[in-house]
Amino acid sequence: SAVISQKPSRDICQRGTSLTIQCQVDSQVTMMFWYRQQPGQSLTLIATANQGSEATYESGFVIDKFPISRPNLTFSTLTVSNMSPEDSSIYLCSVVDYEQYFGPGTRLTVT
Amino acid sequence: AQSVTQPDIHITVSEGASLELRCNYSYGATPYLFWYVQSPGQGLQLLLKYFSGDTLVQGIKGFEAEFKRSQSSFNLRKPSVHWSDAAEYFCAVGTGNQFYFGTGTSLTVIP
Repeated sequence: SAVISQKPSRDICQRGTSLTIQCQVDSQVTMMFWYRQQPGQSLTLIATANQGSEATYESGFVIDKFPISRPNLTFSTLTVSNMSPEDSSIYLCSVVDYEQYFGPGTRLTVT
Repeated sequence: AQSVTQPDIHITVSEGASLELRCNYSYGATPYLFWYVQSPGQGLQLLLKYFSGDTLVQGIKGFEAEFKRSQSSFNLRKPSVHWSDAAEYFCAVGTGNQFYFGTGTSLTVIP
């Protein structure tokens, strides 16, 4: 099994600013995933991040808004840029190793 | 396209009563199937999974689920619900490295 940690666990940010969320895994994984869970909603995949290549974004998500880094096999960051209140969500990092493991999430509130 | 349907948005049961949460999926082959639980303010926790073999799967916290290929269903059951089971439950389908989540079922347990 994989153990995933995320930083920060929560933050309150002002409109127009950016926040970078860090995801650390205790083992090397090829693919890491970033999800968004808006209040009262299910999980929506933002992008898939492979080490050494550009992230692959799902429909409705763009790199300028959600730039992702994947410098090595155990770490990734997601930046939420130029935030608006609509970006208030829980952001989850995830990896797959036969089953899917999730980080504890980052609860973001944009005021 | 793959999809996961959880037809019940919200369910209320009395403590000690039995529970069944419905999940239907759409996929061309037999997928990997999962149930996750998300308690208020908490991350996602895997309850159980089905990859192959016995279609009745036992999970943690006394939960079980049955895979029925003919009905494309993977319903979650518990014979006696505890107050601590109040949470959001998500069914998910895994196909390779892609996971698709249902919209979730919110469970309320009344004393």
